[in-house]
Amino acid sequence: GAGVSQSPSNKVTEKGKDVELRCDPISGHTALYWYRQSLGQGLEFLIYFQGNSAPDKSGLPSDRFSAERTGGSVSTLTIQRTQQEDSAVYLCASSLTGQPATQYFGPGTRLLVL
Amino acid sequence: QKEVEQDPGPLSVPEGAIVSLNCTYSNSAFQYFMWYRQYSRKGPELLMYTYSSGNKEDGRFTAQVDKSSKYISLFIRDSQPSDSATYLCAMSASRIQGAQKLVFGQGTRLTINP
Repeated sequence: GAGVSQSPSNKVTEKGKDVELRCDPISGHTALYWYRQSLGQGLEFLIYFQGNSAPDKSGLPSDRFSAERTGGSVSTLTIQRTQQEDSAVYLCASSLTGQPATQYFGPGTRLLVL
Repeated sequence: QKEVEQDPGPLSVPEGAIVSLNCTYSNSAFQYFMWYRQYSRKGPELLMYTYSSGNKEDGRFTAQVDKSSKYISLFIRDSQPSDSATYLCAMSASRIQGAQKLVFGQGTRLTINP
């Protein structure tokens, strides 16, 4: 079956612009996660969705970052007023409920803020 | 101090060698221990996961967890050039809602030389 898909695969934007990143989880996976991978910080958790609600948003670095999930499926991560330090690979993962050990990752969106 | 420590390498070994990759951690609440493989410009791929202490074997790969020492290992037997990638350890506290996030090590870059 299809894995986790993310779009766009690459995004170049100017500082101060808003960007939207999309994640399509594996069909039937009710849990969805966003992570960020950068050279200096490694792979860091951002936010976790169970269905359409987000019980853990502890990793969002600032109020410029927000995420939503609709229909228990597709999720969008929005970064407002982008800064150069937002440049990173944004990864989405999904899993079945109560199985955090088996998170399956998408290919990521490479974001470059100029 | 990071919750999960992993030697970033790089590690370079000849084809056919046994490879040992390791992580240490400080959070005694971690119950699930995962190993991911990440090829360049791709998303992490789940290799194996272990619950609590013990060993788990899957083909050429063996994962070991020693909770008393807060130390986990991944062994690769008969290493192949196709095993060349970055290997990430990851850990999760429990299945309780809100503790689903994975905490990653920095990743070890491994090269298998033909």
